[in-house]
Amino acid sequence: ETGVTQTPRHLVMGMTNKKSLKCEQHLGHNAMYWYKQSAKKPLELMFVYNFKEQTENNSVPSRFSPECPNSSHLFLHLHTLQPEDSALYLCASSREGDEQFFGPGTRLTVL
Amino acid sequence: EDQVTQSPEALRLQEGESSSLNCSYTVSGLRGLFWYRQDPGKGPEFLFTLYSAGEEKEKERLKATLTKKESFLHITAPKPEDSATYLCAVAGTASKLTFGTGTRLQVTL
Repeated sequence: ETGVTQTPRHLVMGMTNKKSLKCEQHLGHNAMYWYKQSAKKPLELMFVYNFKEQTENNSVPSRFSPECPNSSHLFLHLHTLQPEDSALYLCASSREGDEQFFGPGTRLTVL
Repeated sequence: EDQVTQSPEALRLQEGESSSLNCSYTVSGLRGLFWYRQDPGKGPEFLFTLYSAGEEKEKERLKATLTKKESFLHITAPKPEDSATYLCAVAGTASKLTFGTGTRLQVTL
């Protein structure tokens, strides 16, 4: 595997479900990011981790819970989501301050 | 607060018809301006980083330029495979990226 991978690529869940998104980077980067992309809106930064430490939480609702066990892996735990949370969730990684490289995204649909 | 505005929102070109996409920005302490290409249902693909006014970078049919207020992505003799959404982002003193809403480019035969 090369670059940034994300699983699953597609996810449909009910509002009462709990699910997790996974991201793995194979680039030796120290920073990892979660973004939300909705139609007609700019990419919205959710969380930033640097050397496994969370350095930014962009006022994200607590129904989204990130986890970064090491510099290569990042998770986004989801519970009791709302239909308006349906979007493309993108993971990215970078060396601090440099350009970010993105994964293919997880298309999430909340029913 | 950093801001990025991209225009036009959508652009339709015929194959071989050159044009430019615009990215206007305001940022406190520019650390870099980034261009990405995004195909439908996929993550953004990194194209260029520009660091200071006057800098230019090229890749195949694409050329990115930077001034103190805006950046242009020039597309020379585009082909249908250049069809995508092109995203611009800036990193200021806070280092985090602020993205524009993108320009959706369609190149037809």
